[in-house]
Amino acid sequence: GQNIDQPTEMTATEGAIVQINCTYQTSGFNGLFWYQQHAGEAPTFLSYNVLDGLEEKGRFSSFLSRSKGYSYLLLKELQMKDSASYLCAVRDGDYKLSFGAGTTVTVRA
Amino acid sequence: ETGVTQTPRHLVMGMTNKKSLKCEQHLGHNAMYWYKQSAKKPLELMFVYNFKEQTENNSVPSRFSPECPNSSHLFLHLHTLQPEDSALYLCASSPGTSGGADTQYFGPGTRLTVL
Repeated sequence: GQNIDQPTEMTATEGAIVQINCTYQTSGFNGLFWYQQHAGEAPTFLSYNVLDGLEEKGRFSSFLSRSKGYSYLLLKELQMKDSASYLCAVRDGDYKLSFGAGTTVTVRA
Repeated sequence: ETGVTQTPRHLVMGMTNKKSLKCEQHLGHNAMYWYKQSAKKPLELMFVYNFKEQTENNSVPSRFSPECPNSSHLFLHLHTLQPEDSALYLCASSPGTSGGADTQYFGPGTRLTVL
């Protein structure tokens, strides 16, 4: 089966940096996604990595190491609106995504 | 309307009821998905449709019956559900290009409560 692990909760202060780690063991690998989900809302796409290295998009960056089965999402200059659940998902075939349980990030003033 | 829409947003039903969830995407995508999201658990893929053909049924009980009449619409017909089926049901769509970068876009979900 697929195994995707990420921490359950993280708390950080406004303006700080938070790193959310994701480790995976899947039968195949065809890319890794990060989604943000605010309470009661749809998950929204943040980033996609398929090659090793860092992808930067404004305040958010995502890193992938395929040999280690490891990714992280880095949130910089945290804002209150960044309080949400962050979902790590691995594509192990053509269409199917396997998700982690999500990491709830709480940003405090 | 833009993106992926779902109706109803909230649904309460008894175990003997029959109801349907509706999903519509306005993105011109070819693939559509149903997911179940329970509290503190990973999203569980239920069904995948690509060009109206079902390509994945993730061992879902027969009390859940999907229907995809065209690439823009997806339904989930519900009958004789159990209380443990209470969850958030999310619909998603993607361009349907086979391969890694095929990004899924989600609707807001239907919060289902089975009494």
